[in-house]
Amino acid sequence: GAGVSQSPSNKVTEKGKDVELRCDPISGHTALYWYRQRLGQGLEFLIYFQGNSAPDKSGLPSDRFSAERTGESVSTLTIQRTQQEDSAVYLCASSLAMRTSGGVYTGELFFGEGSRLTVL
Amino acid sequence: GESVGLHLPTLSVQEGDNSIINCAYSNSASDYFIWYKQESGKGPQFIIDIRSNMDKRQGQRVTVLLNKTVKHLSLQIAATQPGDSAVYFCAEIPGRYSSASKIIFGSGTRLSIRP
Repeated sequence: GAGVSQSPSNKVTEKGKDVELRCDPISGHTALYWYRQRLGQGLEFLIYFQGNSAPDKSGLPSDRFSAERTGESVSTLTIQRTQQEDSAVYLCASSLAMRTSGGVYTGELFFGEGSRLTVL
Repeated sequence: GESVGLHLPTLSVQEGDNSIINCAYSNSASDYFIWYKQESGKGPQFIIDIRSNMDKRQGQRVTVLLNKTVKHLSLQIAATQPGDSAVYFCAEIPGRYSSASKIIFGSGTRLSIRP
C-alpha cells in the first residue's frame, strides 16, 4: 500500500484477555518500529526490527509483550493477559534502512495511524 | 520501556505570528535530528530533519536550529496557521550510521493557535 497500515484501529478488550495488533509497513521498508503512546504523552519505544530480526527489544515493558515480523513484511505485536495500564495508542513505523560503507543508514520514519487499545 | 514523555507542555500562538518550539536532547553523540508533527488521532508525520554538521536548515515555512553546545533543537514556524495545530516532537538518532538504531523522541509540545 501507499503508507503504513495498522489494524485494528480501535480495540476494546477485557482485562486478562490477549490482543494482537498488526502492522503492514511500506513495501520495501526493511526497518520497522513499534511505539506506545499513552494519552497526552510522548512516544515510548518498544521494539525495532531490521528485516525479521529484532536487534533491539529493550523497550518491551514486560514478558507479556512480544512481537514478530514475517520477512520484511507484516509485524504483529501481541499483548498477553492485558492490564488496564496497557491502554494506549500503539504506533508502528517503517523506514528504508540502507547499508552504506559506514553501516546502516536509518531513513525517515513513516508512521501508521495507530491502534488504540482500551483495556476495561 | 523507555518513557520519554510526561504531560505535554502547550504553546499558544496568535494566528499569523511565528512559533518557536524547543527541544533538549540527551545524547551528545547523536548526529541526526528530526521534527515530527502529530495531529489529533493520527500518527506522527515528518516535517524537517537536520544533521549534526549543520546548525540551521530551512524548509517551507519551517526552520530548524541546532545548538550542539547546549544540546538544544528548535523548530520555528513562520506565519502560524490553524492547520499547524498539533503536537510537535523532536527525535534524535544516536548514530545515523549505526548498526542498530533506536529513535529517541522528545516529550512533545502541543501547539495551539488563537484566532
